[in-house]
Amino acid sequence: EVQLVESGGGLVEPGRSLRLSCTVSGFNIADHSMGWFRQAPGKGLEWVAFIRTSAYAGASEYAASVRGRFSLSRDDSKDITYLQMNSLTSEDTGIYYCSRRQGRYFDFWGRGSLVTVSS
Amino acid sequence: DIQVTQSPSSVSASVGDTVTISCRASQHINDWVGWYQQRPGKAPKLLIYAASRLHSGVPSRFSGSGYGTDFSLIISSLQPEDSATYFCHQAHSYPWTFGQGTKVEIK
Repeated sequence: EVQLVESGGGLVEPGRSLRLSCTVSGFNIADHSMGWFRQAPGKGLEWVAFIRTSAYAGASEYAASVRGRFSLSRDDSKDITYLQMNSLTSEDTGIYYCSRRQGRYFDFWGRGSLVTVSS
Repeated sequence: DIQVTQSPSSVSASVGDTVTISCRASQHINDWVGWYQQRPGKAPKLLIYAASRLHSGVPSRFSGSGYGTDFSLIISSLQPEDSATYFCHQAHSYPWTFGQGTKVEIK
């Protein structure tokens, strides 16, 4: 069974950092690009970042709202992808989801990790 | 950026009804559209990809259509478990964007 589990969320002060993890099981993460999305309270979905497989050197793409502050990495040997979030603001508050890419779409999602940026 | 405008924002329908949700992209995106279902407090689930292809395990009462800029998700014979918010997603180009969502309520 395909599973994705996000962890590392919590309450953080503005300007601080947080690292989210996405641990997968039921498939070989090395075969898939992985995406991160977020959802602010009561709002819609927003794409955050995306990391390709090692076949593409693990290259990443970022939404303009997080570029330069967030960075993605992956450790295929541990079936994990990481989202490092720096210089956090209240605008970054929300539930963060990781997802497996299949073709151009995201076919399996984790249950999300809540990040709250507040003083 | 490609804007995706989804309508209606909410719809209330009875069990057995047919519900249609629309999305319009701000530019031509071929058939690079996905549809997701999100139940309250849960993660999104892929229903439809490439505008009209049913994702594995999704009931056949869900269908999608469209090409270019206008797309639709149709839920035939609405069931109680279809109460959720539905999002369209353009997968044509970065930054990937989503519609604002349509909340489907069962009367």
